Amino acid sequence: QQQVKQSPQSLIVQKGGIPIINCAYENTAFDYFPWYQQFPGKGPALLIAIRPDVSEKKEGRFTISFNKSAKQFSLHIMDSQPGDSATYFCAAIWGGSEKLVFGKGTKLTVNP
Amino acid sequence: NAGVTQTPKFQVLKTGQSMTLQCAQDMNHEYMSWYRQDPGMGLRLIHYSVGAGITDQGEVPNGYNVSRSTTEDFPLRLLSAAPSQTSVYFCASRGMVDYEQYFGPGTRLTVT
Repeated sequence: QQQVKQSPQSLIVQKGGIPIINCAYENTAFDYFPWYQQFPGKGPALLIAIRPDVSEKKEGRFTISFNKSAKQFSLHIMDSQPGDSATYFCAAIWGGSEKLVFGKGTKLTVNP
Repeated sequence: NAGVTQTPKFQVLKTGQSMTLQCAQDMNHEYMSWYRQDPGMGLRLIHYSVGAGITDQGEVPNGYNVSRSTTEDFPLRLLSAAPSQTSVYFCASRGMVDYEQYFGPGTRLTVT
């Protein structure tokens, strides 16, 4: 019940495409859903996050869509660029827990 | 602010050797944690701490020890290194109210 399932494991798109990464969860107590971006040789960095009281959040070219009833959330990258090539992790946490639960990651490659 | 710092960046150990991975943060965060990252396995929580003097086990604690004597520092000790501990190790910190978690740059450890 503490798992966050992330798909796909890897994704290749052309420049300008819109990659979509999906995550699903079971624990309805989760109340914060962040996405992390990790470049090779670096630590993960917070990209964007959403709380379940909103269905969508945009920051620049990055959008989180949240479907509370389906217990799913997804990351969309508009007008993707080669510089977006990285590994993306979704995560979840709830107020009664001390631990972020991470998905297993998606390696995104954006070809020029 | 330096954020979360980790030393060393790279380390090679022989089986049976011990070592300590250092982690420090200057954001006065109560919560600190250690993860290991292996291909296809995502980020797995080793140990975490919610404040000085308080530590607890995560998902994969065996073979690792931690202590938290100050708010700033959270070292991870490998007591007797094994090849299965070859991995990239990340330290992270966050406040207890704000869920935003900051990661260090990582330590790449190889055990031969």
